[in-house]
Formats: sequence, C-alpha cells, structure tokens
Amino acid sequence: EVHLVESGGGLVQPGGSLRLSCAASGFTFSNYWMHWVRQAPGKGLVWVSRIDSDGSSTSYADSVKGRFLISRDNAKNTLYVLMNSLRDEDTAVYYCARGGYHGQGDHWGQGTLVTVSS
Amino acid sequence: DIQMTQSPSSLSASVGDRVTITCRASQSISIYLNWYQQKPGKAPKLLIYAASTLESGVPSRFSGSGSGTDFTLTISSLQPEDFASYYCQQTYRTPLTFGGGTKVEIK
Repeated sequence: EVHLVESGGGLVQPGGSLRLSCAASGFTFSNYWMHWVRQAPGKGLVWVSRIDSDGSSTSYADSVKGRFLISRDNAKNTLYVLMNSLRDEDTAVYYCARGGYHGQGDHWGQGTLVTVSS
Repeated sequence: DIQMTQSPSSLSASVGDRVTITCRASQSISIYLNWYQQKPGKAPKLLIYAASTLESGVPSRFSGSGSGTDFTLTISSLQPEDFASYYCQQTYRTPLTFGGGTKVEIK
C-alpha cells in the first residue's frame, strides 16, 4: 500500500526557514516524480513544486521560486522542500503527492501545517 | 500560466441528483485534466485523470469528459458521501494549476 507521511511543519517567524520531509513507502520511490501542493486555511489547492524521478529536473510556482528548494533522497525514500524567506502568505497545509503518468497526484500524504507568524 | 476556471463555486443538491461541474482552461490543454475530491480536514483524493479515466476504486457514478479547453465532471446520482469540495487541475504545462474549487452541499 502506498503511504506518504509529511513532517517538519510548525510555527516560524516571517523571514525564517523550515524544511519539510515526506517519507514514502509501499512503492518504488525512485520511479516516480513527486509534488508539493499547499492549501491556505479555508482556501483552495495550490501547486508548489515538482521534481522528477532522479532529482535532475525541478519546477516551481512563481510565488515560491527563488525561496523554496525541492529535493529528494531516493536511498532514503524521502522527498524534501526547504522553505526560505518565509512570508505570512506561505501559511498553509503542505501536502506531498506522488505523480502519475499524466502528472496527476495519485496518492497524497495527510499534510503538515506551516504557520508563518510573529 | 494556464488559468483554470471552475463553475459553479458552490451548489446545493439532494441525494440522487445528477450533478455537473465544469472547468475551463485559458488555453488548450489536450486531455491533461484531473479531478479531485476533498473532504474537510482530509487530503485530496484523485477521481479522474486524463480528462475521462476513472481512478482505480472510484465509483462509476463519477465520470469526466472534455478535451482542449472545456471539461466536465459528472456525478450521476449524488450519494451522501459525495458532499465535498471538488477541484480540477491541469498537468499540461508547469506551473501546474488548479481550479478554484466547487463545494457540493446538501440541499
């Protein structure tokens, strides 16, 4: 069974940094692209970033480009996102999702809450 | 960026009703369109990918259609467990983008 578990969320001050992790199990992690998607309280889903299966290609939403860095460790079956220069508007639940052949998020973690506030 | 416009933003319906949600892309996205269901406090769940392919385990009352710029999610007979929010997403080009969502409420 595919299982994705996010961790690393919490309260951080504006301008601070945080690294989220997504531990994967139940599938061959190194074969799949992976995504981060976020959802601000009471708002809709927003795609954040994606990384290809070997980590050689990444892409970001304009709102996080230059501040967030997605990476993966296929030996540890773990996806990461390093979030720098955090802003109030980055407050959200962050989900990791496995990417299917058509780019769809076919499995999702339960999410981890990031709160940016002074 | 490709903009995804979903309508309606909310709707009220009764159990057994046929429900249709539409999603329009600001440019052609072929069939790179997915539909998700999300219940409060839960992660999104994939329903439909590639515009019309039903994800494994999803009830057959859900169906998707369309190509190019106009897409539709249909629930043929609304069940109590279907009251939720629904989102479309294009995966034709990065940045990937979601529609604003449709909240399906009980009438």
